[in-house]
Amino acid sequence: GAVVSQHPSRVICKSGTSVKIECRSLDFQATTMFWYRQFPKKSLMLMATSNEGSKATYEQGVEKDKFLINHASLTLSTLTVTSAHPEDSSFYICSADDISTSGMQNTQYFGPGTRLTVL
Amino acid sequence: QQQVKQSPQSLIVQKGGISIINCAYENTAFDYFPWYQQFPGKGPALLIAIRPDVSEKKEGRFTISFNKSAKQFSLHIMDSQPGDSATYFCAASSTYAGGTSYGKLTFGQGTILTVHP
Repeated sequence: GAVVSQHPSRVICKSGTSVKIECRSLDFQATTMFWYRQFPKKSLMLMATSNEGSKATYEQGVEKDKFLINHASLTLSTLTVTSAHPEDSSFYICSADDISTSGMQNTQYFGPGTRLTVL
Repeated sequence: QQQVKQSPQSLIVQKGGISIINCAYENTAFDYFPWYQQFPGKGPALLIAIRPDVSEKKEGRFTISFNKSAKQFSLHIMDSQPGDSATYFCAASSTYAGGTSYGKLTFGQGTILTVHP
């Protein structure tokens, strides 16, 4: 159980285009989903916290107009990188907080990540 | 105060040996301490987690030791295997933090573990 999927796993796009990444909790419901960015050999950097049915909360320094987050249901959150540029190339990872344990265990399950390369 | 400091940055262990990774935190509101294992090109996977009401938790070859007074916790991997070679992250969060802080994990810097056969 507790599987989180991401799609696509890898994407290459041209500079100036927008890219959408989907994050789904497959066998549980998630009140909260998180989006991280990870550079090579570095730790995970939290970009934003996404709650179902409400606006995402962005971390300091993260451009909300560039990284659009939508949490349409308890099993799906999307991250859209708008007008992508080479500096946006990175590994993007989502995680989902299992609603059945929220407030008790605070367990986050991570997706497999999406490798974005902007040419 | 939100930082979690992890050491060492890298660790080389022989097969069958014990791998030990340490983490220290400052925020006394943290009450949930998970460890994640990450292989190259993959997302982190939850290994084991502990709450401050116990000083040790063991699951198979993995043990977390927790020292509340010192605000430190560590991961011990017994009988380390080449398949354990990965990056390990400690993390901490406050289950009862309100508002926008709820559920947010603060990660350590990561430890690259290499287990030689």
